[in-house]
Amino acid sequence: DSGVTQTPKHLITATGQRVTLRCSPRSGDLSVYWYQQSLDQGLQFLIQYYNGEERAKGNILERFSAQQFPDLHSELNLSSLELGDSALYFCASSDPGRALNTGELFFGEGSRLTVL
Amino acid sequence: AQKVTQAQTEISVVEKEDVTLDCVYETRDTTYYLFWYKQPPSGELVFLIRRNSFDEQNEISGRYSWNFQKSTSSFNFTITASQVVDSAVYFCALSTNNYGQNFVFGPGTRLSVLP
Repeated sequence: DSGVTQTPKHLITATGQRVTLRCSPRSGDLSVYWYQQSLDQGLQFLIQYYNGEERAKGNILERFSAQQFPDLHSELNLSSLELGDSALYFCASSDPGRALNTGELFFGEGSRLTVL
Repeated sequence: AQKVTQAQTEISVVEKEDVTLDCVYETRDTTYYLFWYKQPPSGELVFLIRRNSFDEQNEISGRYSWNFQKSTSSFNFTITASQVVDSAVYFCALSTNNYGQNFVFGPGTRLSVLP
């Protein structure tokens, strides 16, 4: 158990809809990362937040947005969903102090999104 | 641009065999970090190792060992005396930031260890 909690574990929705994925990082971790794992694109970095502020952006579509709240949990919002958005969405967290030593990111079990 | 290649899509071995997973990376940065992550059937990603570009010393951790060679831009992973529990997808990743925010993952190698 990594200590990172993601909900929901599975989500099935229709094209054009909007969903929100939630992530609770490990206790004390200030950084939260979102990654997408799909069959055609593999694992891709989407976005990182640090203590409530956006820190880095990767291959995140404009239809997607994220935020990190004062209690450090994060949400990834996916809108105008398309079939190609079907994927496993991972949240990861890190402790900056620990990451400096090992570079370890702690990943949640992922939220599997299916768009029909 | 940064890129990670894992040419082996799938590997099958019989238990107790040794197996090496290849990883070749591309980057123009002089400071970078290489990682291996394991994704077992349960789906979560498990950190195995990080190596920075200034440290080419090979590392051994139990049955796992890693061979980092800057001259060939490779960071290969060897499992000695493989076990069924080693069956998973293994990802090699590259980052130019110590905090991992710029992870570029390879496509992964699916390892099946047969009893």
